[in-house]
Amino acid sequence: GNSVTQMEGPVTLSEEAFLTINCTYTATGYPSLFWYVQYPGEGLQLLLKATKADDKGSNKGFEATYRKETTSFHLEKGSVQVSDSAVYFCALRGTTDSWGKLQFGAGTQVVVTP
Amino acid sequence: SQTIHQWPATLVQPVGSPLSLECTVEGTSNPNLYWYRQAAGRGLQLLFYSVGIGQISSEVPQNLSASRPQDRQFILSSKKLLLSDSGFYLCAWTSGVGTDTQYFGPGTRLTVL
Repeated sequence: GNSVTQMEGPVTLSEEAFLTINCTYTATGYPSLFWYVQYPGEGLQLLLKATKADDKGSNKGFEATYRKETTSFHLEKGSVQVSDSAVYFCALRGTTDSWGKLQFGAGTQVVVTP
Repeated sequence: SQTIHQWPATLVQPVGSPLSLECTVEGTSNPNLYWYRQAAGRGLQLLFYSVGIGQISSEVPQNLSASRPQDRQFILSSKKLLLSDSGFYLCAWTSGVGTDTQYFGPGTRLTVL
């Protein structure tokens, strides 16, 4: 079955540091890939997505590239802010998931300190 | 534009009491609807999904049930809550026409004492 593996957190960074959160997946075919962000006490918000190999999703300074050869979708940001402190979830929708079901990773908590 | 609502925002219930959480979507028709649970410090677990009125699929056996009495209304229920039902419950929707992106509600924080 489909699965998503994320690096464990918490990841603690200083403001303006470079952030990378690793995400790898297992799925047949070409799934769609997503990053969601959850701020404290809130629901999930879509951060970015990519629907085919070599696509790059980007939003709010975050980027992730769909790498079919390494089955990865790592999230990066060049200079984090305190406001980026949140839990980040990698997710996929498999090609056989006709009802739009998503498979989520366990989430990675990011803490950015001033 | 589409919006999704959940209520209540927080709930504290005793063990053995009933539960009803509501989710409604505005601005779209015939959405696919989903209930997730997020236990403290853990990832999301899909509980139920629905592709139409009265159509409910359960992902995991548990103490909970779901219903969809109207096109844009999704209800999560329990007859008798357990301590293990505590968590953050999230409702989500997709357009149901092949769109990938799920949009989430603000969530309900449930504490069972």
